[in-house]
Amino acid sequence: QQPVQSPQAVILREGEDAVINCSSSKALYSVHWYRQKHGEAPVFLMILLKGGEQKGHDKISASFNEKKQQSSLYLTASQLSYSGTYFCGTEDSGTYKYIFGTGTRLKVLA
Amino acid sequence: GAGVSQSPSNKVTEKGKDVELRCDPISGHTALYWYRQRLGQGLEFLIYFQGNSAPDKSGLPSDRFSAERTGESVSTLTIQRTQQEDSAVYLCASSVNKEKLFFGSGTQLSVL
Repeated sequence: QQPVQSPQAVILREGEDAVINCSSSKALYSVHWYRQKHGEAPVFLMILLKGGEQKGHDKISASFNEKKQQSSLYLTASQLSYSGTYFCGTEDSGTYKYIFGTGTRLKVLA
Repeated sequence: GAGVSQSPSNKVTEKGKDVELRCDPISGHTALYWYRQRLGQGLEFLIYFQGNSAPDKSGLPSDRFSAERTGESVSTLTIQRTQQEDSAVYLCASSVNKEKLFFGSGTQLSVL
């Protein structure tokens, strides 16, 4: 069962903030975040390895709540370059699969 | 190589024909993954290789799909008797320790 992301899609103006959530029905041991621009391959953003961990890169940060089996990606002061589809990813516990969430389409307008 | 390389980048085939998709991972990356992405959809896990071994083939959609990896490098995904529902982008990714996946640009497969 793949993680469920919310919202499915969001439209922002430049400079606005957004939060993307990733929720799993199974235990999460680590969470990765990727961004895929239209027509391109997904690109790694960051990894969170343990509950309570928070990370940031530029104006994009993420948190991981292991108990709630959730992770959130925070985009602050969004830029046009943030447009794309964001996926959370994780190892499917008990299997060898590396699976991705349902995806969130983000569009930043000027 | 500098990144994950996939070939061909585009493949148009007729229904019923067989196709082979190739993935050349980053040198030294022991883990290799194949995914299918239908238009506007998410990433569907197909198969994972650790070295030359594929411990989990359960993601392959049907017995028309097979994959192999030789020499801990190149991998080939073969689709036999292609169907129109096989049309998608097939993405390959490689990793050293599963903590960061590097993706290739994908093969756009169109089955007419």
